[in-house]
Amino acid sequence: DTGVSQDPRHKITKRGQNVTFRCDPISEHNRLYWYRQTLGQGPEFLTYFQNEAQLEKSRLLSDRFSAERPKGSFSTLEIQRTEQGDSAMYLCASSDRDFSRSNEQFFGPGTRLTVL
Amino acid sequence: EDQVTQSPEALRLQEGESSSLNCSYTVSGLRGLFWYRQDPGKGPEFLFTLYSAGEEKEKERLKATLTKKESFLHITAPKPEDSATYLCAVQARTNAGKSTFGDGTTLTVKP
Repeated sequence: DTGVSQDPRHKITKRGQNVTFRCDPISEHNRLYWYRQTLGQGPEFLTYFQNEAQLEKSRLLSDRFSAERPKGSFSTLEIQRTEQGDSAMYLCASSDRDFSRSNEQFFGPGTRLTVL
Repeated sequence: EDQVTQSPEALRLQEGESSSLNCSYTVSGLRGLFWYRQDPGKGPEFLFTLYSAGEEKEKERLKATLTKKESFLHITAPKPEDSATYLCAVQARTNAGKSTFGDGTTLTVKP
């Protein structure tokens, strides 16, 4: 399977706990993106990486959120001291930086987070 | 700030009843406009990219068109398996990393 994969698919946690999600992009893609989606809304941009460099971070991303992409391969998104408002689907996407093509982003299946 | 508005929020069609979904956008220099399909509990699935006004793309029963202010997704003779949420997104020329999404149109096709 050469698509974007995410782990875990579902996470239930108690308020105040830390959680970490993993994303493995399509192997030849050097851009990786994180989005958050709540019910009835479109995905909201959180952050993106080109290789290992984090190039942009949304104002929506509080200090409790941190993302890494060591060695420019997989990425992790950590949420510290979770709050009920963090409950959402966390989506990862990847794209190819080749500017001769469109920058379409290919999404993974998402991680559904529920904070009790 | 880039903005995307999709209408209607929900659309119910009978099988075979053609219709169109609208995506209105404002962006400071369009790099690309994207259409995605999203099934419940899954990530968005890429459908089309449009770059400039007048461009059209087709795939099976779907056809996407683009003007300077909006895009349409035309669905011809839809089938129940076309039921899904259709999302529109834009990227600005100045920021190729970030896509701004609309809230989608949820399409239900009844047999």
